[in-house]
Amino acid sequence: AQTVTQSQPEMSVQEAETVTLSCTYDTSESDYYLFWYKQPPSRQMILVIRQEAYKQQNATENRFSVNFQKAAKSFSLKISDSQLGDAAMYFCATPPRAGSYQLTFGKGTKLSVIP
Amino acid sequence: GAVVSQHPSWVICKSGTSVKIECRSLDFQATTMFWYRQFPKQSLMLMATSNEGSKATYEQGVEKDKFLINHASLTLSTLTVTSAHPEDSSFYICSARSLGGDETQYFGPGTRLLVL
Repeated sequence: AQTVTQSQPEMSVQEAETVTLSCTYDTSESDYYLFWYKQPPSRQMILVIRQEAYKQQNATENRFSVNFQKAAKSFSLKISDSQLGDAAMYFCATPPRAGSYQLTFGKGTKLSVIP
Repeated sequence: GAVVSQHPSWVICKSGTSVKIECRSLDFQATTMFWYRQFPKQSLMLMATSNEGSKATYEQGVEKDKFLINHASLTLSTLTVTSAHPEDSSFYICSARSLGGDETQYFGPGTRLLVL
């Protein structure tokens, strides 16, 4: 079964600075999606960014970008110009196997933003 | 776009009663909906996958007679917690995958259930 590992239970960043959250995963598939979701204190899960594994170009969404290293099975999230509203739990996720529409989630990283 | 609503957001009930939670995709059709349970400070635990018009697929360890799931239309799935007990108290989240879409799941805001 697919495993997703987020090795940083907690991180903190100064407002306006940049922070990188790490995620590694285990898969035997060649084509798959990877996701980062954000869960603020409201507990609403929000899609931050997604990456298709066959695309070599790293996905970018405004201040959020990923560093996707397919061979290393690494999918880190970089948040630039951190804002107070970025404080949340961040979950990395990917389908457990080809053709599955389920998602396997990591245990999450709690990000605090220091004013 | 891709908005998912969940109702109710909060529910308190007495032990032994049943509680129904609705999950709706508001601006898209959802062939597949998912139900998760989340304990405090933990990740999401998938309970079941429901496909429109067919029986839900439950994850190992989840009692299908306890957690009844119905996916009667392309925009609505319901989770009924039958004969609820205090240990069923939790945060329940639904998500939906768009018809013809990829593996992206769009999440509802969640339902906090407290069983007294």
